[in-house]
Amino acid sequence: DQQVKQNSPSLSVQEGRISILNCDYTNSMFDYFLWYKKYPAEGPTFLISISSIKDKNEDGRFTVFLNKSAKHLSLHIVPSQPGDSAVYFCAASAPGAGSYQLTFGKGTKLSVIP
Amino acid sequence: DVKVTQSSRYLVKRTGEKVFLECVQDMDHENMFWYRQDPGLGLRLIYFSYDVKMKEKGDIPEGYSVSREKKERFSLILESASTNQTSMYLCATRRTTNEKLFFGSGTQLSVL
Repeated sequence: DQQVKQNSPSLSVQEGRISILNCDYTNSMFDYFLWYKKYPAEGPTFLISISSIKDKNEDGRFTVFLNKSAKHLSLHIVPSQPGDSAVYFCAASAPGAGSYQLTFGKGTKLSVIP
Repeated sequence: DVKVTQSSRYLVKRTGEKVFLECVQDMDHENMFWYRQDPGLGLRLIYFSYDVKMKEKGDIPEGYSVSREKKERFSLILESASTNQTSMYLCATRRTTNEKLFFGSGTQLSVL
Protein backbone atom coordinates (compact mmCIF):
# COMPACT_ATOMS: atom_id res chain seq x y z
CA ASP A 1 0.00 0.00 0.00
CA GLN A 2 1.62 3.19 -1.20
CA GLN A 3 1.32 5.92 1.41
CA VAL A 4 3.09 8.60 -0.65
CA LYS A 5 2.13 8.85 -4.29
CA GLN A 6 3.66 10.81 -7.11
CA ASN A 7 1.28 10.06 -9.93
CA SER A 8 3.28 11.69 -12.71
CA PRO A 9 6.36 9.66 -13.60
CA SER A 10 7.63 12.45 -15.82
CA LEU A 11 7.13 16.12 -16.62
CA SER A 12 8.53 18.35 -19.37
CA VAL A 13 8.66 22.11 -19.00
CA GLN A 14 10.09 24.92 -21.08
CA GLU A 15 12.98 26.86 -19.58
CA GLY A 16 11.75 29.94 -17.75
CA ARG A 17 8.28 28.55 -17.12
CA ILE A 18 6.87 27.16 -13.88
CA SER A 19 7.32 23.49 -12.95
CA ILE A 20 4.70 22.01 -10.64
CA LEU A 21 5.36 18.62 -9.12
CA ASN A 22 2.58 16.96 -7.17
CA CYS A 23 2.47 14.50 -4.31
CA ASP A 24 -0.49 12.87 -2.53
CA TYR A 25 -0.43 10.97 0.73
CA THR A 26 -2.87 8.70 2.50
CA ASN A 27 -1.55 8.59 6.08
CA SER A 28 -3.22 11.38 8.05
CA MET A 29 -0.53 11.02 10.74
CA PHE A 30 2.17 12.42 8.45
CA ASP A 31 3.25 15.79 9.79
CA TYR A 32 6.57 16.52 8.11
CA PHE A 33 7.19 16.57 4.37
CA LEU A 34 10.34 16.94 2.32
CA TRP A 35 11.37 17.19 -1.32
CA TYR A 36 14.60 15.71 -2.62
CA LYS A 37 16.27 16.08 -5.98
CA LYS A 38 18.35 13.34 -7.57
CA TYR A 39 20.69 13.40 -10.52
CA PRO A 40 21.70 10.11 -12.18
CA ALA A 41 24.47 8.20 -10.37
CA GLU A 42 24.31 10.57 -7.39
CA GLY A 43 22.60 10.47 -4.01
CA PRO A 44 19.46 12.56 -3.45
CA THR A 45 19.96 16.05 -2.12
CA PHE A 46 17.54 17.87 0.15
CA LEU A 47 15.58 20.70 -1.44
CA ILE A 48 12.91 21.98 0.89
CA SER A 49 10.65 20.82 3.71
CA ILE A 50 7.38 21.80 5.36
CA SER A 51 5.75 20.85 8.62
CA SER A 52 2.03 20.39 8.98
CA ILE A 53 1.62 23.59 10.98
CA LYS A 54 2.35 25.58 7.82
CA ASP A 55 0.75 25.62 4.40
CA LYS A 56 3.61 27.17 2.47
CA ASN A 57 7.37 27.31 2.61
CA GLU A 58 9.58 29.21 0.21
CA ASP A 59 13.29 29.03 -0.56
CA GLY A 60 14.45 31.00 -3.56
CA ARG A 61 12.96 29.55 -6.71
CA PHE A 62 11.38 26.65 -4.79
CA THR A 63 8.06 26.80 -2.96
CA VAL A 64 6.24 23.91 -1.34
CA PHE A 65 2.50 24.09 -0.69
CA LEU A 66 0.67 21.81 1.70
CA ASN A 67 -3.09 21.17 1.64
CA LYS A 68 -3.77 19.00 4.67
CA SER A 69 -7.47 18.54 4.03
CA ALA A 70 -6.72 17.19 0.56
CA LYS A 71 -3.61 15.32 1.74
CA HIS A 72 -1.73 16.95 -1.10
CA LEU A 73 1.50 18.83 -1.48
CA SER A 74 3.16 20.41 -4.45
CA LEU A 75 6.57 21.78 -5.33
CA HIS A 76 6.73 24.85 -7.54
CA ILE A 77 9.93 25.82 -9.32
CA VAL A 78 9.93 29.30 -10.81
CA PRO A 79 11.58 29.97 -13.17
CA SER A 80 12.63 26.51 -14.29
CA GLN A 81 16.22 26.08 -15.46
CA PRO A 82 17.88 23.27 -17.44
CA GLY A 83 19.93 22.38 -14.34
CA ASP A 84 16.67 21.54 -12.58
CA SER A 85 16.32 18.47 -14.82
CA ALA A 86 16.41 15.58 -12.34
CA VAL A 87 14.18 13.12 -10.51
CA TYR A 88 12.24 14.69 -7.64
CA PHE A 89 11.12 12.63 -4.67
CA CYS A 90 8.49 13.59 -2.17
CA ALA A 91 8.88 12.13 1.34
CA ALA A 92 6.85 12.17 4.55
CA SER A 93 7.15 11.14 8.18
CA ALA A 94 4.79 10.73 11.11
CA PRO A 95 5.42 11.49 14.81
CA GLY A 96 6.06 8.78 17.36
CA ALA A 97 7.69 5.46 16.70
CA GLY A 98 7.17 5.87 12.97
CA SER A 99 9.13 9.08 12.93
CA TYR A 100 12.32 7.14 12.45
CA GLN A 101 11.23 6.41 8.92
CA LEU A 102 10.77 8.62 5.91
CA THR A 103 8.35 7.23 3.35
CA PHE A 104 9.25 8.21 -0.21
CA GLY A 105 7.17 8.47 -3.36
CA LYS A 106 8.35 6.83 -6.57
CA GLY A 107 9.62 10.07 -8.02
CA THR A 108 8.87 12.40 -10.92
CA LYS A 109 11.45 12.94 -13.63
CA LEU A 110 11.53 16.61 -14.58
CA SER A 111 12.99 17.65 -17.92
CA VAL A 112 13.51 21.37 -18.47
CA ILE A 113 13.84 22.10 -22.17
CA PRO A 114 16.13 24.99 -23.14
CA ASP B 1 28.70 20.17 5.67
CA VAL B 2 27.70 16.62 6.43
CA LYS B 3 29.78 14.04 4.63
CA VAL B 4 28.33 10.58 4.02
CA THR B 5 30.83 8.30 2.35
CA GLN B 6 29.94 5.02 0.69
CA SER B 7 32.91 2.75 0.11
CA SER B 8 32.29 1.97 -3.57
CA ARG B 9 30.54 3.77 -6.42
CA TYR B 10 30.28 0.65 -8.59
CA LEU B 11 30.44 -2.99 -7.61
CA VAL B 12 30.08 -6.19 -9.63
CA LYS B 13 29.53 -9.46 -7.77
CA ARG B 14 28.58 -13.03 -8.62
CA THR B 15 25.42 -14.79 -7.48
CA GLY B 16 25.94 -16.40 -4.07
CA GLU B 17 28.78 -14.09 -2.99
CA LYS B 18 28.69 -12.31 0.36
CA VAL B 19 28.68 -8.56 -0.22
CA PHE B 20 29.54 -5.78 2.22
CA LEU B 21 28.50 -2.20 1.59
CA GLU B 22 30.04 0.31 3.95
CA CYS B 23 28.83 3.76 4.92
CA VAL B 24 30.65 6.27 7.10
CA GLN B 25 29.38 9.65 8.32
CA ASP B 26 31.37 12.41 9.95
CA MET B 27 28.70 14.39 11.79
CA ASP B 28 27.94 12.31 14.87
CA HIS B 29 24.40 11.63 13.64
CA GLU B 30 22.24 9.24 15.63
CA ASN B 31 20.19 7.77 12.81
CA MET B 32 21.49 5.89 9.78
CA PHE B 33 19.56 4.27 6.94
CA TRP B 34 20.01 1.98 3.96
CA TYR B 35 17.74 2.43 0.95
CA ARG B 36 17.69 0.91 -2.48
CA GLN B 37 16.52 2.75 -5.54
CA ASP B 38 15.06 0.97 -8.55
CA PRO B 39 13.50 2.56 -11.65
CA GLY B 40 9.77 3.06 -11.17
CA LEU B 41 9.91 1.94 -7.54
CA GLY B 42 11.45 4.96 -5.88
CA LEU B 43 13.46 4.68 -2.67
CA ARG B 44 12.66 1.71 -0.47
CA LEU B 45 13.95 1.38 3.07
CA ILE B 46 15.92 -1.80 3.81
CA TYR B 47 17.14 -1.25 7.37
CA PHE B 48 17.78 1.62 9.72
CA SER B 49 19.61 2.20 12.97
CA TYR B 50 18.70 4.84 15.52
CA ASP B 51 21.76 4.26 17.71
CA VAL B 52 24.91 2.19 18.00
CA LYS B 53 24.19 -1.55 17.99
CA MET B 54 20.49 -0.84 17.39
CA LYS B 55 18.81 -1.84 14.17
CA GLU B 56 15.29 -2.02 12.81
CA LYS B 57 13.86 -3.61 9.69
CA GLY B 58 12.54 -1.37 7.01
CA ASP B 59 10.11 -2.25 4.26
CA ILE B 60 12.26 -4.77 2.35
CA PRO B 61 14.77 -6.42 4.75
CA GLU B 62 14.67 -9.91 3.23
CA GLY B 63 18.08 -11.04 2.01
CA TYR B 64 19.91 -8.29 3.90
CA SER B 65 21.45 -7.74 7.31
CA VAL B 66 23.18 -4.75 8.89
CA SER B 67 25.80 -3.94 11.46
CA ARG B 68 26.42 -0.79 13.47
CA GLU B 69 29.29 -1.33 15.89
CA LYS B 70 30.38 2.30 15.87
CA LYS B 71 28.26 5.41 15.65
CA GLU B 72 29.83 6.65 12.45
CA ARG B 73 29.67 3.39 10.48
CA PHE B 74 26.67 1.45 9.18
CA SER B 75 27.23 -1.64 7.05
CA LEU B 76 24.79 -3.42 4.78
CA ILE B 77 25.42 -7.12 4.19
CA LEU B 78 24.05 -9.29 1.43
CA GLU B 79 24.56 -12.78 2.82
CA SER B 80 24.20 -14.51 -0.55
CA ALA B 81 23.81 -12.07 -3.42
CA SER B 82 21.10 -12.71 -5.97
CA THR B 83 20.39 -11.08 -9.33
CA ASN B 84 17.28 -9.35 -7.95
CA GLN B 85 19.54 -7.44 -5.60
CA THR B 86 21.08 -5.57 -8.53
CA SER B 87 20.25 -1.99 -7.62
CA MET B 88 21.47 1.43 -6.52
CA TYR B 89 22.11 1.35 -2.77
CA LEU B 90 21.92 4.59 -0.85
CA CYS B 91 23.08 5.26 2.68
CA ALA B 92 21.61 8.21 4.57
CA THR B 93 22.06 9.81 7.98
CA ARG B 94 20.08 12.15 10.16
CA ARG B 95 20.83 13.87 13.45
CA THR B 96 17.46 13.00 14.95
CA THR B 97 13.82 12.54 14.05
CA ASN B 98 11.92 15.10 11.98
CA GLU B 99 15.09 16.36 10.38
CA LYS B 100 16.27 15.99 6.83
CA LEU B 101 18.28 13.03 5.63
CA PHE B 102 21.73 13.43 4.16
CA PHE B 103 22.54 10.86 1.49
CA GLY B 104 25.78 9.36 0.25
CA SER B 105 26.59 9.19 -3.45
CA GLY B 106 25.28 5.66 -3.76
CA THR B 107 26.70 2.28 -4.77
CA GLN B 108 25.51 0.77 -8.03
CA LEU B 109 25.64 -2.97 -7.40
CA SER B 110 25.38 -5.46 -10.24
CA VAL B 111 24.93 -9.13 -9.35
CA LEU B 112 25.70 -11.44 -12.27
